[in-house]
Amino acid sequence: DAMVIQNPRYQVTQFGKPVTLSCSQTLNHNVMYWYQQKSSQAPKLLFHYYDKDFNNEADTPDNFQSRRPNTSFCFLDIRSPGLGDAAMYLCATSKPTGPFNQPQHFGDGTRLSIL
Amino acid sequence: AQKVTQAQTEISVVEKEDVTLDCVYETRDTTYYLFWYKQPPSGELVFLIRRNSFDEQNEISGRYSWNFQKSTSSFNFTITASQVVDSAVYFCALQRGSSNTGKLIFGQGTTLQVKP
Repeated sequence: DAMVIQNPRYQVTQFGKPVTLSCSQTLNHNVMYWYQQKSSQAPKLLFHYYDKDFNNEADTPDNFQSRRPNTSFCFLDIRSPGLGDAAMYLCATSKPTGPFNQPQHFGDGTRLSIL
Repeated sequence: AQKVTQAQTEISVVEKEDVTLDCVYETRDTTYYLFWYKQPPSGELVFLIRRNSFDEQNEISGRYSWNFQKSTSSFNFTITASQVVDSAVYFCALQRGSSNTGKLIFGQGTTLQVKP
């Protein structure tokens, strides 16, 4: 089945140790998003790619970076994770027809813990 | 400003009861889109419905129904004859018609617990 796959489901890293989260999709969607969701909160958009064009949200910390080497894959890099970065990270995709009004398809998420 | 308010933080019902989840939005746009997503304990966000601002028809899908009223800026979601599997966090979200990022503005979510 076509889907959005995130690996790993659970990631533990040490304070300050760089970590990379992975997302892949078989939907061939142009747009890929990364969200951060802390406990009992709504998802918060960090950034997105429209094809190869990177779009950062104004309040996304510099500590968070992203790479999209091809249509299928997108990575979230946290350069120096702090305790406040512990959260669920959700990847989503969409195929724009008109002004981005298509529903976003989400992966299962990666739950990141910081020791 | 764009905003979505889900005033109900948590709702608990007994199986087979009907339950309505409220969503109120704020926008000055004439074109916008409204969504409902379900987030079960496993974590993934599951798309339920999309509505555009020009379509106020209510929609029914099995046990789910949605009531969109522009006059009150509300997009409420009703589950009829609730089941334990409906237990999840439900998010209402707004997307601006003019958005060039596809950004979803989420409400804070309503946690629904359906007890057997």
